Amino acid sequence: AQKVTQAQTEISVVEKEDVTLDCVYETRDTTYYLFWYKQPPSGELVFLIRRNSFDEQNEISGRYSWNFQKSTSSFNFTITASQVVDSAVYFCALSEATGNQFYFGTGTSLTVIP
Amino acid sequence: NAGVMQNPRHLVRRRGQEARLRCSPMKGHSHVYWYRQLPEEGLKFMVYLQKENIIDESGMPKERFSAEFPKEGPSILRIQQVVRGDSAAYFCASSPQAGVVGSPLHFGNGTRLTVT
Repeated sequence: AQKVTQAQTEISVVEKEDVTLDCVYETRDTTYYLFWYKQPPSGELVFLIRRNSFDEQNEISGRYSWNFQKSTSSFNFTITASQVVDSAVYFCALSEATGNQFYFGTGTSLTVIP
Repeated sequence: NAGVMQNPRHLVRRRGQEARLRCSPMKGHSHVYWYRQLPEEGLKFMVYLQKENIIDESGMPKERFSAEFPKEGPSILRIQQVVRGDSAAYFCASSPQAGVVGSPLHFGNGTRLTVT
């Protein structure tokens, strides 16, 4: 079974629209960490945010915000007032305190149309 | 403070040749991960190494693939007798802490391997 599911394969929005990228995870550990990474067209992977399982506070960083809800095992990512530079593939990832691996979702490709 | 360095950025090999991918972790990081990204797919874990030690190689194909992280020098991912299906982007990531508990992975720019 997939540990991290990103059901949205591709999303297109017009510039300045808000967009939410969904991430659902599965784990039996009580201590775990969730991450979002951005992969722009140039190909590198950029770390965006980390949350631990004990901190359900939502976080905002500029136009980016993250909504962590343990009750639904979700860690969604919202971009407000999207810009063309936000066009990228976004990956959600999970690491468990008991293991060595990072589990990545299959990614959501976001295209922001000018 | 240099990030994770991977080279080469692009590598072309003919079927049957060997491919060697190099990764130098961030300064102060002693743990290295290798991931493979096939076209239009997500990142698949391959192997996790510490200096001179393979910690977890559960994602490595059983044949033709090997990885090392010597005491001195970069980590090497080696693919022998490459086949077309090995064409992919290979990413290296490093982390400072044992077990990576909570530490994010810092990725290199990847090596794009093309097998002709």
